[in-house]
Formats: sequence, structure tokens, C-alpha cells
Amino acid sequence: KQEVTQIPAALSVPEGENLVLNCSFTDSAIYNLQWFRQDPGKGLTSLLLIQSSQREQTSGRLNASLDKSSGRSTLYIAASQPGDSATYLCAAPRPMNYGGSQGNLIFGKGTKLSVKP
Amino acid sequence: EAGVAQSPRYKIIEKRQSVAFWCNPISGHATLYWYQQILGQGPKLLIQFQNNGVVDDSQLPKDRFSAERLKGVDSTLKIQPAKLEDSAVYLCASSPTSGAQETQYFGPGTRLLVL
Repeated sequence: KQEVTQIPAALSVPEGENLVLNCSFTDSAIYNLQWFRQDPGKGLTSLLLIQSSQREQTSGRLNASLDKSSGRSTLYIAASQPGDSATYLCAAPRPMNYGGSQGNLIFGKGTKLSVKP
Repeated sequence: EAGVAQSPRYKIIEKRQSVAFWCNPISGHATLYWYQQILGQGPKLLIQFQNNGVVDDSQLPKDRFSAERLKGVDSTLKIQPAKLEDSAVYLCASSPTSGAQETQYFGPGTRLLVL
């Protein structure tokens, strides 16, 4: 059974700081890992999707890495801005060896980020 | 490209009442997902459709929840009768195919409060 854990649960930083959000998963037989952003009262927006054959993906100030052997992924945010304030969720699909739907995403509880001006 | 549409955005009902949510996925997307997100938790998959067939409903409480996707386009999720613990945000998502290799696109969600 896949379990996804995110640390820390909440993080408050001053504007301009670089920061790292952590995600760990128990079953490394995954196709990919995704990072999402959720703003209050809104749905999820996909930020980055890292395929199992990749080690990292970058989009603007965001960089996500994936280490399947250790069951970990990190989301690095450079030069944080108040607009980055949101909850960040990581999600892994049901493992390849489980059977059934591979589209079933298993989510962590998220890290609530607050960037102070 | 229009995103995933959901309605209503908010719903307040009393326990034992019934409620229905509607979702219209991105045009052309074959796969549609319903997730339940309880406050402070990550979303949990309730049901996955590919076209108008059910792919995975292993976590759907079938004694009170039902869902359908007629004609393989929009979908409705129903709760009857509702319980206090059903208070949550119900998120609909869609993806082009059913593979785990692609991004799922989420709607804004329906926030349900059961009193």
C-alpha cells in the first residue's frame, strides 16, 4: 500500500528566501510523482510531473527532484514571493505492481506555505 | 481551453438529506475522477471513469455514494443519505487518457457542509 508523507506541515518564511518542501513515499514502484499547488477555496493546479526515468524537473523558480531508491522527492522554490503562499501537495500514482487503475493518485496531506512580505 | 467545471460551488444540507454534484471535464478528456478532500487532508480518490465505464470505485462508500458518467462526458456524484463525516470538498479531475503518466486537471471543487 502506497503512503505519502509531507514534511513540514506548515512553513513560514520571509520573502526572498529559498526553501525546500519534502515528500516521502513508501512504495518506489511508481511511474511518476507530481507536485500540485492548492490555493484556499480552489482546486489543485499541477506544478511539476517527474517521470520515474527522470531525476528532476524545472519550471521557472520551481525545481522538483525524485529519488526512487530512497522514496523521496523535494520541491525547491527559489527567491520565494508572497504569491507563492499556498498549500503544496505531492502525489504518487498507485504502484505499478498493485494492479488496477494506475491513475489513482495517492496524496500527502500537504505543506502550507506562507511567504511574508 | 476551458477547464474542468463543477457545480454547485457550495452546499449546506442536514444529515440524512441527499445531495448531487455535477462535473464537466475538459473537452476530449476520456478519464474523469472524483476525489474527496477532508479538511487538513490530501484528496482521496472515490471513483475513476474511462469514457462511460468505471475503472476504479474501490474507495467509494457504495451504501450511500453513487456516480455516473452518461455518454462519457459530464458526470454526477450523489450522496444519499448524507452523514456528518461527508463534510468535505469534492473535487473532479480529468485527463486525456487513463495513464498514470499524465497530469490530471482539477476543477474548483464543491464544498459540502453537513449539519
